[in-house]
Amino acid sequence: KAGVTQTPRYLIKTRGQQVTLSCSPISGHRSVSWYQQTPGQGLQFLFEYFSETQRNKGNFPGRFSGRQFSNSRSEMNVSTLELGDSALYLCASSLGRFSGYEQYFGPGTRLTVT
Amino acid sequence: DQQVKQNSPSLSVQEGRISILNCDYTNSMFDYFLWYKKYPAEGPTFLISISSIKDKNEDGRFTVFLNKSAKHLSLHIVPSQPGDSAVYFCAASARVFDQGAQKLVFGQGTRLTINP
Repeated sequence: KAGVTQTPRYLIKTRGQQVTLSCSPISGHRSVSWYQQTPGQGLQFLFEYFSETQRNKGNFPGRFSGRQFSNSRSEMNVSTLELGDSALYLCASSLGRFSGYEQYFGPGTRLTVT
Repeated sequence: DQQVKQNSPSLSVQEGRISILNCDYTNSMFDYFLWYKKYPAEGPTFLISISSIKDKNEDGRFTVFLNKSAKHLSLHIVPSQPGDSAVYFCAASARVFDQGAQKLVFGQGTRLTINP
């Protein structure tokens, strides 16, 4: 069974630009979560989608948004990029509500904002 | 407010010995706990989990212990192998509070080094 895939793996953007990251979950998994990893803050929860609905959100500004498609694939968007948005963005998938709480992570997208 | 804490940033253990990684939490609503291993430039890999209704879960060389009264969990790796060298994260979720939602709160990680 293929694992979680994320594209692109590396990205360099300029302050003020916007970026879209993509995540394909493990086949059959309906929940997709996004996390940001930075050296200073560690792994922090961004949001989670299940059946195309965002059902939980972390403490990030509205510049961070996401969506999920009917095939469970998810995208994350960051608008008006700031230097502090430079991080590893991780996507994780799981079976979903009230079953399969283990989340399986993709390799991440390394975003550098200059 | 760090709800999940791993107070040891690093740990060095001799090959073949037991590695014990510790994690403390403050939120009594947490009812599910997980351990992940992470290599550089890769996403975290799920290792083992435990529900709050249990105090121990074992999977091969990995055992997780949960002490709810102390709000403490630990991961034991026996015997330790060189391939176990990585950063280990503990994570917790409050399934009931989040209505089954998948929000994990992570500790800061412990870098484990297994010496030959």
